[in-house]
Amino acid sequence: QSALTQPASVSGSPGQSITISCTGTSSDVGGYNYVSWYQQYPGKAPKLIIYDVTNRPSGVSNRFSGSKSDNTASLTISGLQAEDEADYYCNSYTSSRAWVFGGGTKLTVL
Amino acid sequence: QLQLQESGPGLVKPSETLSLTCTVSGGSISSSSYYWGWIRQPPGKGLEWIGNIRYSGNTYYNASLKSRVTISVDTSKNQFSLEMRSVTATDTAVYYCARRLMDSGRRDYWGQGTLVTVSS
Repeated sequence: QSALTQPASVSGSPGQSITISCTGTSSDVGGYNYVSWYQQYPGKAPKLIIYDVTNRPSGVSNRFSGSKSDNTASLTISGLQAEDEADYYCNSYTSSRAWVFGGGTKLTVL
Repeated sequence: QLQLQESGPGLVKPSETLSLTCTVSGGSISSSSYYWGWIRQPPGKGLEWIGNIRYSGNTYYNASLKSRVTISVDTSKNQFSLEMRSVTATDTAVYYCARRLMDSGRRDYWGQGTLVTVSS
């Protein structure tokens, strides 16, 4: 199972919106609504920010939103803040009854 | 508040077996609503899913690791464990345990992670 494809890095200025893509196949992202997104700070465990494509856990800012079109899922962060600077990973269920992560995207807030 | 805590040796010799345990507190591992799993992250690299287990013992593994990995559960101790055989330097990573809701990608509780180094 190959890793899902994410851009290695994205950047944006405070207040702007950015979108991180996560591209898979019809056997994973495109085939199931089980895409989740995690935020990770250096030296820390990942934190769930979006699950099942569009759902946001309690306590996660509504500046984070998720969507999916065909084989590509997306995470959008609006009103970018300095504290959003972190690594972001997508994760999807697969037809092999397994889970696969994206390679990760480093977000830099300029 | 649910908490997960990984424990085990931080150093393992090449060709030997890596063994880690995840202790769950503040909730029962026997809940039928959850899967319990292991994820790892080599230094400076991305996340890799290793496998999941339910309280009943049903397991699912990453195909690339399946031949070397066993995940087991001990409901009496509220723990689940990872065993990885024949390790090499490429298995050096931070190992996380996490809880996932059934029929969902919601992996909402994670341990803090434990670094395992494979070296002689």
